[in-house]
Amino acid sequence: GNSVTQMEGPVTLSEEAFLTINCTYTATGYPSLFWYVQYPGEGLQLLLKATKADDKGSNKGFEATYRKETTSFHLEKGSVQVSDSAVYFCALSSHSGGSYIPTFGRGTSLIVHP
Amino acid sequence: NAGVTQTPKFQVLKTGQSMTLQCAQDMNHEYMSWYRQDPGMGLRLIHYSVGAGITDQGEVPNGYNVSRSTTEDFPLRLLSAAPSQTSVYFCASSPLMGGYTFGSGTRLTVV
Repeated sequence: GNSVTQMEGPVTLSEEAFLTINCTYTATGYPSLFWYVQYPGEGLQLLLKATKADDKGSNKGFEATYRKETTSFHLEKGSVQVSDSAVYFCALSSHSGGSYIPTFGRGTSLIVHP
Repeated sequence: NAGVTQTPKFQVLKTGQSMTLQCAQDMNHEYMSWYRQDPGMGLRLIHYSVGAGITDQGEVPNGYNVSRSTTEDFPLRLLSAAPSQTSVYFCASSPLMGGYTFGSGTRLTVV
């Protein structure tokens, strides 16, 4: 079956540091890949997505590249801000069991200090 | 567009009570799902629907019922609340293979 593995958190960084949150996946077929962000007390928001191999999703300074050869979709940002403190979820969606219900990772908490 | 609207935002129930969590979307999305989020457990899928009149069980369906009579609405019913159902519940919708839009959540406490 499908699965998503994220690095354990929390990830603690100083403002303006470089961010990488690792995500690897196992899936049947050709999945679409997503990153979601959840700010405290809120629901998840779609951050970026990629639908085929070598695609790069980007939004708000965050980027992730769909690497089929390594089954990875790592999230990166060149310079984090305090306002980026949140929980980040990697997810995939592929045709499995007759539907496209997504599979989510456990989430990685990011804490950015001034 | 309102997106995905969940009501209520907060609820306290006594053990054994029943209630319905409401979810509505105005984006004409085919897929709708209910998740619960507990500390250290990530998101767990309760029930989902791939279209009006079609529902199926997710990872943790026991104690919950759903129905999908229209494209817009996907209510979640707690049949007899238990303390183990204390959680934050999220409804989400998406087009086929698209990213999910989540509601803001319902924080449920069962005492």
